[in-house]
Amino acid sequence: AQSVAQPEDQVNVAEGNPLTVKCTYSVSGNPYLFWYVQYPNRGLQFLLKYITGDNLVKGSYGFEAEFNKSQTSFHLKKPSALVSDSALYFCAVRDYNYGQNFVFGPGTRLSVLP
Amino acid sequence: GAVVSQHPSRVICKSGTSVKIECRSLDFQATTMFWYRQFPKKSLMLMATSNEGSKATYEQGVEKDKFLINHASLTLSTLTVTSAHPEDSSFYICSAQTSGYTSTDTQYFGPGTRLTVL
Repeated sequence: AQSVAQPEDQVNVAEGNPLTVKCTYSVSGNPYLFWYVQYPNRGLQFLLKYITGDNLVKGSYGFEAEFNKSQTSFHLKKPSALVSDSALYFCAVRDYNYGQNFVFGPGTRLSVLP
Repeated sequence: GAVVSQHPSRVICKSGTSVKIECRSLDFQATTMFWYRQFPKKSLMLMATSNEGSKATYEQGVEKDKFLINHASLTLSTLTVTSAHPEDSSFYICSAQTSGYTSTDTQYFGPGTRLTVL
């Protein structure tokens, strides 16, 4: 079975500092990995995904994530955080062998302090 | 591109009534649509997967007679909460993807519907 862990419920970072939101996963086959962001009372917005190829994936709003197969991780990063980045971030995995369904992590709330 | 809308964004109803939520893909054809439920400060729980023109596949523990899903066209899926009870109060989110059989597809999410059952 596939699963996703986001070990931090909350991440606080000062505006202008780099940010990292952690994600680790478990799948039996090939992982397809996604990051989404959710603002209050809104649906999820797609940030980026890793399917194959370059381990460093660049996405929307200056975010990037690095796929690390040996550590089964897909941490989300941004070089310089903005206050407007404050939101709830979800990592999701889809196992090729299981087909379509996403499994979402529990979410990490990012607060960027001015 | 890849915009998904939901209607209504917020609904309040009395216990025992039924509520219909619409999910539309505005600029692409969605072969597959998904319905999720999100509890406060919790992650998304997949309720069901629907493919256009066929019956929905429900996740374990989700009552198919209570949560009726119809995916009649490539741009519209509806979720009807029948005989709603206060415990059905939640945030319901739909998503859509272009293909039903390609795991690399991105799911695009609607803005969600806040259901409150009094």
